[in-house]
Amino acid sequence: EPEVTQTPSHQVTQMGQEVILRCVPISNHLYFYWYRQILGQKVEFLVSFYNNEISEKSEIFDDQFSVERPDGSNFTLKIRSTKLEDSAMYFCASRFLRGTGQGGGYTFGSGTRLTVV
Amino acid sequence: AQTVTQSQPEMSVQEAETVTLSCTYDTSESDYYLFWYKQPPSRQMILVIRQEAYKQQNATENRFSVNFQKAAKSFSLKISDSQLGDAAMYFCAYRSAYGGATNKLIFGTGTLLAVQP
Repeated sequence: EPEVTQTPSHQVTQMGQEVILRCVPISNHLYFYWYRQILGQKVEFLVSFYNNEISEKSEIFDDQFSVERPDGSNFTLKIRSTKLEDSAMYFCASRFLRGTGQGGGYTFGSGTRLTVV
Repeated sequence: AQTVTQSQPEMSVQEAETVTLSCTYDTSESDYYLFWYKQPPSRQMILVIRQEAYKQQNATENRFSVNFQKAAKSFSLKISDSQLGDAAMYFCAYRSAYGGATNKLIFGTGTLLAVQP
């Protein structure tokens, strides 16, 4: 079964450093997302991406965050200057159709655990 | 705005027994999707079951079934013949059928299920 692949699985970074989280969505999927889960809390939407542009972003997704799909396969989330509160699990997800096809479900990657020290 | 509520932070079930996890949601939309995701200790997000709001028939996937009550805005998950591998955090999630690319998932706060041998 096709998978969404995320790398690295765990990253430790110094506060103030830039990090790039990488995702390879399923090849025929059209919609891409990043979600965040702070330890012990619920999963929160960060940003959605379609047709090479952001379609929606949450209040969490401020100027420190950016996304891009540089080569048509990878989908990256960059945090420019990390803060302690950015420590969380970051999930990439992709989806094929926007309508009723495939039940409208997502496929999630296995996540990147980001620890900011 | 849509909201998803899971009122049971923790549940426990004996192996081979049946357990029901509760979820309620609030929306003014008529067409949407509902999901249950399982998050084991590895923290990967695994789709358990999905329900389209326009379908009256409750979804079933092997030992997992839902009780979808659209008028009551309730979407509970029943796990039959519970197994040790079912122990995980379970998240209920909502996604609008409208809005095109955005269609983000809105998650509840989760229910931590323990399975006792």
